[in-house]
Amino acid sequence: ETGVTQSPTHLIKTRGQQVTLRCSSQSGHNTVSWYQQALGQGPQFIFQYYREEENGRGNFPPRFSGLQFPNYSSELNVNALELDDSALYLCASSPGTSAWTDTQYFGPGTRLTVL
Amino acid sequence: AQSVTQLDSHVSVSEGTPVLLRCNYSSSYSPSLFWYVQHPNKGLQLLLKYTSAATLVKGINGFEAEFKKSETSFHLTKPSAHMSDAAEYFCVVSDNNNDMRFGAGTRLTVKP
Repeated sequence: ETGVTQSPTHLIKTRGQQVTLRCSSQSGHNTVSWYQQALGQGPQFIFQYYREEENGRGNFPPRFSGLQFPNYSSELNVNALELDDSALYLCASSPGTSAWTDTQYFGPGTRLTVL
Repeated sequence: AQSVTQLDSHVSVSEGTPVLLRCNYSSSYSPSLFWYVQHPNKGLQLLLKYTSAATLVKGINGFEAEFKKSETSFHLTKPSAHMSDAAEYFCVVSDNNNDMRFGAGTRLTVKP
């Protein structure tokens, strides 16, 4: 067990709706990263937060946004859901200032289905 | 921009035989390289990482990888496969460009 939890486990939404996914990092881990993993593919980096500030972003549109809180929890928000947003969403925490060189500890993921 | 290519989508070996999972990368900077494993219904777990120290990196469960700059490769090896090694393996590259790229994955099957 990595000590990283995510909720909910599964979620079904319809196109155009908004969704919030939650992650609880390991205590003491100041960096959290979010990934999208489509079926049969590797995870794609969405963004990274360090001490409540976004400090890295992948090739995702602004309708993907996040928050990180002082209690080591974080959120991924997706507005105006599209069918292609259906995927497994992973969060990962790391103890350092960024995930670029650090070991990341992944949660089990949230499976989002958009109908 | 950086990228990573896992050369085999599926590798099948017999228990007790060597494992080789191939990974090539491209990066404009000195990269950090990782191998992660994903067992069914479990989270990704770090096997090993290279961050500009020794080029031969030893990881957990008997896995190791060698960073070869001239070949832009970071292949994962294990001398003797175990049934519990059956999983999806991801090669990952990151650099100073504030991005991290995962390969498409290699599914390892271990036959008894």
